[in-house]
Amino acid sequence: AQKITQTQPGMFVQEKEAVTLDCTYDTSDPSYGLFWYKQPSSGEMIFLIYQGSYDQQNATEGRYSLNFQKARKSANLVISASQLGDSAMYFCAMREGYGSSNTGKLIFGQGTTLQVKP
Amino acid sequence: DTAVSQTPKYLVTQMGNDKSIKCEQNLGHDTMYWYKQDSKKFLKIMFSYNNKELIINETVPNRFSPKSPDKAHLNLHINSLELGDSAVYFCASRSLGTASGNTIYFGEGSWLTVV
Repeated sequence: AQKITQTQPGMFVQEKEAVTLDCTYDTSDPSYGLFWYKQPSSGEMIFLIYQGSYDQQNATEGRYSLNFQKARKSANLVISASQLGDSAMYFCAMREGYGSSNTGKLIFGQGTTLQVKP
Repeated sequence: DTAVSQTPKYLVTQMGNDKSIKCEQNLGHDTMYWYKQDSKKFLKIMFSYNNKELIINETVPNRFSPKSPDKAHLNLHINSLELGDSAVYFCASRSLGTASGNTIYFGEGSWLTVV
């Protein structure tokens, strides 16, 4: 069964430093997608970045990059130059399904709370 | 304009009542979802509609019934509310089967508290 694991319940980082949030996944589907979402204290879910299983290069979006290591089944989020506004809960998710069975259903990890220190 | 909007944002109600949460998206997407986030922040899918057709129906009590009058709207009706239904309910949408469908947008969430 598909599964997403985030082993870091909480992380601290100094402002302006880089931080890596870990995510490992398990699936037997050859085609899948990996997502990261940010949930600030206000509660909304903000899409950050997407990586497809067949993408050759790691995804990047501004200060966010996804370190995709397919053989190790890991999809870590790297945030460069942390800002105070990055303090939030971060969720890794996997899109389940392949081909015609791809319903877009997301399976989420437990989340990592990141606190950026001034 | 908010891409995926949910109403109400906050809802406090008594056990046994029936309530609805509405969701609308203006992104032109064809697929919409309801997710539930429990008190431990764990997110789990409940339902999904594609072009008004139910395509995902997870193990959810029958008291929860989704309705999609058109592909831009997906409502969630809950009968006989129980204390355990207290959670944050998120609506989401995407375009299934397209490259842009790799981005799944969420609404701001609806905080339901059953007392």
